[in-house]
Amino acid sequence: DAGITQSPRHKVTETGTPVTLRCHQTENHRYMYWYRQDPGHGLRLIHYSYGVKDTDKGEVSDGYSVSRSKTEDFLLTLESATSSQTSVYFCAISESTQDRGRRETQYFGPGTRLLVL
Amino acid sequence: TQLLEQSPQFLSIQEGENLTVYCNSSSVFSSLQWYRQEPGEGPVLLVTVVTGGEVKKLKRLTFQFGDARKDSSLHITAAQPGDTGLYLCAGAIGGTSYGKLTFGQGTILTVHP
Repeated sequence: DAGITQSPRHKVTETGTPVTLRCHQTENHRYMYWYRQDPGHGLRLIHYSYGVKDTDKGEVSDGYSVSRSKTEDFLLTLESATSSQTSVYFCAISESTQDRGRRETQYFGPGTRLLVL
Repeated sequence: TQLLEQSPQFLSIQEGENLTVYCNSSSVFSSLQWYRQEPGEGPVLLVTVVTGGEVKKLKRLTFQFGDARKDSSLHITAAQPGDTGLYLCAGAIGGTSYGKLTFGQGTILTVHP
C-alpha cells in the first residue's frame, strides 16, 4: 500500500469556520492531488501540486486553497466552510517519471469525511 | 460536462454470473485506470492500460483498452460476493503533464451469495 495518510479522518464543523485537512505521504512522489467525492458526481479535482510551492486549480477550486511547503505534506484549507462543502475528501499522489502509465496512475489516501453544519 | 461516461451505474447480480462495465468518452486518453473502492475507504488501483487494444487480466477480471484509446471495459467472470464495491474508471487526457485524471461516475456492483 502507498504510504498516504490523511488527517483528520472525520470532522464536524460549523458554517463559516476555517478548516484545514492534511495529506502526508512517505513515497517522495512529486505530484499530489485533492479530490472531493459526492454522490452522482464521482471524484472531482479541487487542486493539485506538481512540486513544493507549485500548485494549480482543478475543476472545483472555488472556496478552497492549498499549500505545499514540503514534498511530503499537502494541505487543503476551506477558508470559510459552507454546507455545500460537506463531502468526502481524498488525497492522491503520483510519480514524476517519463513512463506515462506510471505518471498517470494515482494512489489514494483513506479519505476525510467532512460535515459542515 | 462528464468527459467519461461509465455504465451501468448500478449492477446487482448473483454469485457466479459474469458482468461487464463500460467506460466511454469522445476524448482520446493517453492512459486509463480502473479502481475499486469499498465503503469508508479510498479507491484502490486495479490496473493501468496505456496501449490501444491492450488487454490485461487480473485473476477473474479482464480489462480492455479500445483501439482508439477512447473507451475501456472491465469484465468479471464468475462474480463473487467479495467483488462487491464501487468500480471507477479514470482517464488521463492526452498531453497531460501532471498526471491529472478525469473520473467516471462509477458503477456500484452488488454480488449476492
